[in-house]
Amino acid sequence: DAGVIQSPRHEVTEMGQEVTLRCKPISGHDYLFWYRQTMMRGLELLIYFNNNVPIDDSGMPEDRFSAKMPNASFSTLKIQPSEPRDSAVYFCASSSLTLEQYFGPGTRLTVT
Amino acid sequence: KQEVTQIPAALSVPEGENLVLNCSFTDSAIYNLQWFRQDPGKGLTSLLLIQSSQREQTSGRLNASLDKSSGRSTLYIAASQPGDSATYLCAASMTTDSWGKLQFGAGTQVVVTP
Repeated sequence: DAGVIQSPRHEVTEMGQEVTLRCKPISGHDYLFWYRQTMMRGLELLIYFNNNVPIDDSGMPEDRFSAKMPNASFSTLKIQPSEPRDSAVYFCASSSLTLEQYFGPGTRLTVT
Repeated sequence: KQEVTQIPAALSVPEGENLVLNCSFTDSAIYNLQWFRQDPGKGLTSLLLIQSSQREQTSGRLNASLDKSSGRSTLYIAASQPGDSATYLCAASMTTDSWGKLQFGAGTQVVVTP
């Protein structure tokens, strides 16, 4: 298996622009997680899905952030409008019923 | 709220020495505890997962123990190698929280010197 795939790997955008991050989970995994990692706050869970349904979005920082999972093999995390404080590495992870989470390589987002 | 702490924040050992990494948590009602490794600029790699009913898990040179009563987990890496240099994170999921939700420690940065 190719593992969790994320795109793009790097994104540089200007404040106010819309940013869309993409994730393809491991085939057969029915849980998908979006995390954000910064030096100040460490790793934070933003939202997670089970069978394409959002289960817990309590970590989504504000209404500018939204996530969707239209099918079992694709999810997006969108930030609109983006702000400099959104600069971070965003990780996607997936798991099966074993609960062991497998992480993608991350997307490094820089908002100028 | 569950708090997960990893001390020390950084550790340097000579090659061949055994590594002992500590993880403490404030709430013993955990569902499982997972250890990860993160290399600079990379994602997290799962090392070991311990279910709440287990006391330890082993994989090769790695052994992780779990003591819920004392709120601690320890990751042992035998005969360390320079390739073990990385940041190691522990994460706990709670029975009182959303299933699958992990609370991460800040990590211990390890350097193994040749």
